[in-house]
Amino acid sequence: GAGVSQSPSNKVTEKGKDVELRCDPISGHTALYWYRQRLGQGLEFLIYFQGNSAPDKSGLPSDRFSAERTGESVSTLTIQRTQQEDSAVYLCASSRDSGNGELFFGEGSRLTVL
Amino acid sequence: AQTVTQSQPEMSVQEAETVTLSCTYDTSESDYYLFWYKQPPSRQMILVIRQEAYKQQNATENRFSVNFQKAAKSFSLKISDSQLGDAAMYFCAYVLDSGGSNYKLTFGKGTLLTVNP
Repeated sequence: GAGVSQSPSNKVTEKGKDVELRCDPISGHTALYWYRQRLGQGLEFLIYFQGNSAPDKSGLPSDRFSAERTGESVSTLTIQRTQQEDSAVYLCASSRDSGNGELFFGEGSRLTVL
Repeated sequence: AQTVTQSQPEMSVQEAETVTLSCTYDTSESDYYLFWYKQPPSRQMILVIRQEAYKQQNATENRFSVNFQKAAKSFSLKISDSQLGDAAMYFCAYVLDSGGSNYKLTFGKGTLLTVNP
């Protein structure tokens, strides 16, 4: 597609439920990133996928968080047993390679955990 | 820990005037890239300007320019002839150019810029 597409745009869920967030990167971009943005904060790195290499999951805050990507296509970020502190905007980005910081972002998925 | 500090949580500027947003960072590495990203209310982060640390010349992109002071680890953004569409949250960030983490951007907490008509 023309840009990075994320869904849902907004998600409200109850504490304890699982949620799945989706990211469709720009076609041809081998690298894909997930970041978390809490209210009033900068972006926190969560996970990085590059082609078929093993992903860098070092930013995932707990084992309730997981992400998958098939090849160079869509990625899903799953949060199990959501907690109120998981409320944030989850931003996905893609780049041609590691990008040296030139990332193309989606509009994010705003997650609210009640 | 590597950090980015934006000391101005909020700034305002009159339309057509000039404003400077501050950023300092802390890294022991010598090779890195610096960025300013803009996040309007749509939430989509957009790259405004990029600077390679090995270049002494300050980057410019139309009305946007930077003042890069490597020794001081300072990277400010100047917006000239401010427009209403410049109103957004601005984030300073950097990424290392070497090693195994040349994809992990480190972001500041942002500066919210208001442009007054």
